[in-house]
Amino acid sequence: EVQLVESGGDLAQPGRSLRLSCAASGFTFDDYAMHWVRQVPEKGLEWVSGLSWNGVSKGYADSVKGRFTISRDNAKNSLYLQMNSLRAEDTALYYCAKSGRRSGSYTGNYIDSWGQGTLVTVSS
Amino acid sequence: QSALTQPASVSGSPGQSITISCTGTSSDVGAYNYVSWYQQHPGKAPKLMIYDVSNRPSGVSIRFSGSKSGNTASLTISGLQAEDEADYYCISYTTSVTPYVFGTGTKVTVL
Repeated sequence: EVQLVESGGDLAQPGRSLRLSCAASGFTFDDYAMHWVRQVPEKGLEWVSGLSWNGVSKGYADSVKGRFTISRDNAKNSLYLQMNSLRAEDTALYYCAKSGRRSGSYTGNYIDSWGQGTLVTVSS
Repeated sequence: QSALTQPASVSGSPGQSITISCTGTSSDVGAYNYVSWYQQHPGKAPKLMIYDVSNRPSGVSIRFSGSKSGNTASLTISGLQAEDEADYYCISYTTSVTPYVFGTGTKVTVL
């Protein structure tokens, strides 16, 4: 059974940084691309970032480009999201998500599994 | 990149069929057959219901089906049941700088 467990969410002041982690199990981690998706409570979903199986190819939403960095450690079956220069509008529940297609690419793929999310609140 | 357009709410009686639309552009829904649909119950993570426009993952009820025409994708729920009451989101791969865009979400109510 696929399990994705996020951690690292916290209250942060505007302009500060946070690092989210996602521990994956139940599948061959380095066969799949991974994603981060966020959701403002009681609002819709927003795709944040995606990363290929080997960590080489990555993409970001315009809203976070230049501030967030996605990475992975296949030896530790872990996905990360480094969030810098945080803004109030980054406040959301952040989901770690697994691609469904075993192509290894985050592009032209879909998400088939989600974690339970970790809450990031940006406020002074 | 604007969100894909979904109706805010759709309702139906038990046993009926409903359809949720997801309207985009020729740069997203119309460009690729990479449209997925997710069901989300309150306080829960989203669950994949349909991928690649019309493919149903194992374990998802055959009452759920997907289709696409031009720039609009659709999710149909047949034989509506109380457990289908949830929020539904579409997502499409795009040609834009942001490679994926979600729909605005639709709240399904079973009357």
